[in-house]
Amino acid sequence: AQTVTQSQPEMSVQEAETVTLSCTYDTSENNYYLFWYKQPPSRQMILVIRQEAYKQQNATENRFSVNFQKAAKSFSLKISDSQLGDTAMYFCAYLEYGNKLVFGAGTILRVKS
Amino acid sequence: EAGVVQSPRYKIIEKKQPVAFWCNPISGHNTLYWYLQNLGQGPELLIRYENEEAVDDSQLPKDRFSAERLKGVDSTLKIQPAELGDSAVYLCASSLGTGNEQYFGPGTRLTVT
Repeated sequence: AQTVTQSQPEMSVQEAETVTLSCTYDTSENNYYLFWYKQPPSRQMILVIRQEAYKQQNATENRFSVNFQKAAKSFSLKISDSQLGDTAMYFCAYLEYGNKLVFGAGTILRVKS
Repeated sequence: EAGVVQSPRYKIIEKKQPVAFWCNPISGHNTLYWYLQNLGQGPELLIRYENEEAVDDSQLPKDRFSAERLKGVDSTLKIQPAELGDSAVYLCASSLGTGNEQYFGPGTRLTVT
């Protein structure tokens, strides 16, 4: 079964600075999707960014960008100009065949003022 | 456009009692998911529906859990009887087809005493 590993249980960053969250995954598939979801204390899971494995170009959404290394099976999230509202739990997720989303254990990100 | 709606948001019951959760997906989304999220962990899929058909229920503990999706729209997840270990957040999500992002509801936090 596919697995997703987030090796950083907690991270902290100063407001306006940049932080990178790590994610690795294990799969034998060639075509798949990767996601980063944000879950603030309110519990609502919000999609941050999405990457298709067949695309070499790294996805970018405003202050959020990814570093997708397919051969290394690595999918890190970079948050630039961190804001207090970025404080949340961040989940890396892999979408496997059959539409099953497999989540990592999450990284708690705290943005400090 | 309204998001995924779940109710109730919170539920406290005594062990051995039954409980039911309700989910209304985003209009037009044919795929509906129920996830279990334990504290400090990523969500885990319980069951996935394509329209009214349960296409993946391999992780659903069928001795006490049941689900239905009448007319391929709303869905109900039931636990009977509840056990202490069922205390968790139950998330509902929906998507439009395979490979598309899943949109999550706010979840129901269940506490079994």
